[in-house]
Amino acid sequence: QKEVEQNSGPLSVPEGAIASLNCTYSDRGSQSFFWYRQYSGKSPELIMSIYSNGDKEDGRFTAQLNKASQYVSLLIRDSQPSDSATYLCAAGGKLIFGQGTELSVKP
Amino acid sequence: EPEVTQTPSHQVTQMGQEVILRCVPISNHLYFYWYRQILGQKVEFLVSFYNNEISEKSEIFDDQFSVERPDGSNFTLKIRSTKLEDSAMYFCASSERVAGALAKNIQYFGAGTRLSVL
Repeated sequence: QKEVEQNSGPLSVPEGAIASLNCTYSDRGSQSFFWYRQYSGKSPELIMSIYSNGDKEDGRFTAQLNKASQYVSLLIRDSQPSDSATYLCAAGGKLIFGQGTELSVKP
Repeated sequence: EPEVTQTPSHQVTQMGQEVILRCVPISNHLYFYWYRQILGQKVEFLVSFYNNEISEKSEIFDDQFSVERPDGSNFTLKIRSTKLEDSAMYFCASSERVAGALAKNIQYFGAGTRLSVL
């Protein structure tokens, strides 16, 4: 059974801080990894994709992938209250999702 | 900006009835997917569809479920005889997914259809 695991949170950070979200996956054959943001009652919205070991930066977001450790992370710099949502880690072609980490950014 | 469109946004049905959920994928995309999310639970893969046939399906996608691309734009999910446990958000997604080009595997999700089975 292919699994994606996330620390469930909730994670609470003050405005302007760095939020760190983590994810592990079980399928060593996975080549594609994604972070989606999901507001309550809404659909998943793509934040980042990453395919190679190392870091990938896009604005305030940095995704990190370590295939040897089967580990993916997302850093959100200068967190804003509007970043408050559930962040979903997903892996693979048919996406296998983690249960999501709820992030709360306090003003 | 192109987007995946789903209708209806909310469907209420009686147990045992058939429902059809509709999706219009992004126009140049080749792969289509259905996912579901039961309230408070993780998003689960149901089925992927390419070149007018199912390419992969999960254990959830049993004989009660079927998918179809009836014309050049619509992609539908049919549940033949709904059960209480089918109540969930159903998301359609699409991707370009060109072979060998991982970056084209990005899946874009529609807003979802909330299915309520009474």
